[in-house]
Amino acid sequence: GQSLEQPSEVTAVEGAIVQINCTYQTSGFYGLSWYQQHDGGAPTFLSYNALDGLEETGRFSSFLSRSDSYGYLLLQELQMKDSASYFCAVPQTGANNLFFGTGTRLTVIP
Amino acid sequence: EAGVAQSPRYKIIEKRQSVAFWCNPISGHATLYWYQQILGQGPKLLIQFQNNGVVDDSQLPKDRFSAERLKGVDSTLKIQPAKLEDSAVYLCASSLDRGRETQYFGPGTRLLVL
Repeated sequence: GQSLEQPSEVTAVEGAIVQINCTYQTSGFYGLSWYQQHDGGAPTFLSYNALDGLEETGRFSSFLSRSDSYGYLLLQELQMKDSASYFCAVPQTGANNLFFGTGTRLTVIP
Repeated sequence: EAGVAQSPRYKIIEKRQSVAFWCNPISGHATLYWYQQILGQGPKLLIQFQNNGVVDDSQLPKDRFSAERLKGVDSTLKIQPAKLEDSAVYLCASSLDRGRETQYFGPGTRLLVL
């Protein structure tokens, strides 16, 4: 089977940096994706890591360590609009679709 | 480029009634997915289409759920009869090719079963 573990809630201050961790158990690992979902909104793609290391896209970065079955999403210069749920996801075993974690609800406070 | 369209946005029905959801994916996207998202959880895949063929429906409760994508574009998801536990957001997503990486989601249909 597959499993993804991420914290259920994180609170951080506007302007600060926050890291959301994700550990995974899956066979046939291809890569780790991150999605953002605002309340009442659709999940939107943020990043995808297939190889070890850090990928940077503006204020957001994502990291993967395949040897540790671990990744994280790093959000810098937090803004109030970053308050949302963040999901890590891995491809389902042997399939071209995704298995999502339960999500981390990020609350940014002034 | 237009995004994934879904309708209706909201639906309230009583248990044992039927309901249908419609999805129009991004133009040119061969792969279409239906997910169920229960409050506080991540999206759970129900069914995946590649063009008009079913690729994966292993998690679809086939005794009450059905889906089709007849012309390889639009898709409908039906629940008949609905149960209380079907209350959730039903998300449609599409991808250009390999859905292991990037999927594009529609706004979802919020279903409440009373």
